[in-house]
Amino acid sequence: EEQLVESGGGLVQPGGSLRLSCAASGFTFSSYWMNWVRQGPGKGLVWVSRINTDGSTTTYADSVKGRFTISRDNAKNTLWLQMNSLRAEDTAVYYCARHKKWEVGGNNYFGVDVWGQGTTVTVSS
Amino acid sequence: DIQMTQSPSSLSASVGDRVTITCRASQSISSYLNWYQQKPGKAPKVLIYAASSLQSGAPSRFSGSGSGTDFTLTISSLQPEDFATYYCQQSHSTPWTFGQGTKVEIK
Repeated sequence: EEQLVESGGGLVQPGGSLRLSCAASGFTFSSYWMNWVRQGPGKGLVWVSRINTDGSTTTYADSVKGRFTISRDNAKNTLWLQMNSLRAEDTAVYYCARHKKWEVGGNNYFGVDVWGQGTTVTVSS
Repeated sequence: DIQMTQSPSSLSASVGDRVTITCRASQSISSYLNWYQQKPGKAPKVLIYAASSLQSGAPSRFSGSGSGTDFTLTISSLQPEDFATYYCQQSHSTPWTFGQGTKVEIK
């Protein structure tokens, strides 16, 4: 079974740091780009960050650029999100999400086809 | 960033009803549009990709249509397990953006 399991969430004070982990199993982790997506309490889904297969290319939402760092270790089948200078507005469930490429009519389309169960980050004093 | 707007934000329907949810992009995204279903306390699941392709394992009562800026998700005959929140998402450009969600509730 293809599975993603997040960990590392918790309560942190504003300005603090937290490192989220995502353990992948049941598929060839090194073959997939990966994403982090978050969802604030009672809110919608927000894409946070993406990393390519070998970790050489990373992309971030403007709201976290310069504060969050995505990384991976393909030998350990693990994805991370280092979160620094945390703010109250970073409070959310953070999902690890596998980047999927579908080919339709000769074109490539992208999305998420496997999600973790989420880990909750609460930023509060 | 591309803004995605769904309507309605919520709807009430009965089992067996035909349900339609719309999603509008702030600029043309061709067919780079996905639909997800999310139940309370659970991660989302992809239903439709590339605007109209049914994801493997998703029930055939779900269908998607549209291209450019206007898209539709249709549930042909609503089932009890379909009561959930549905999100559209564009993958035309980074950052990926989602609609605000449409909550489908029991009438």
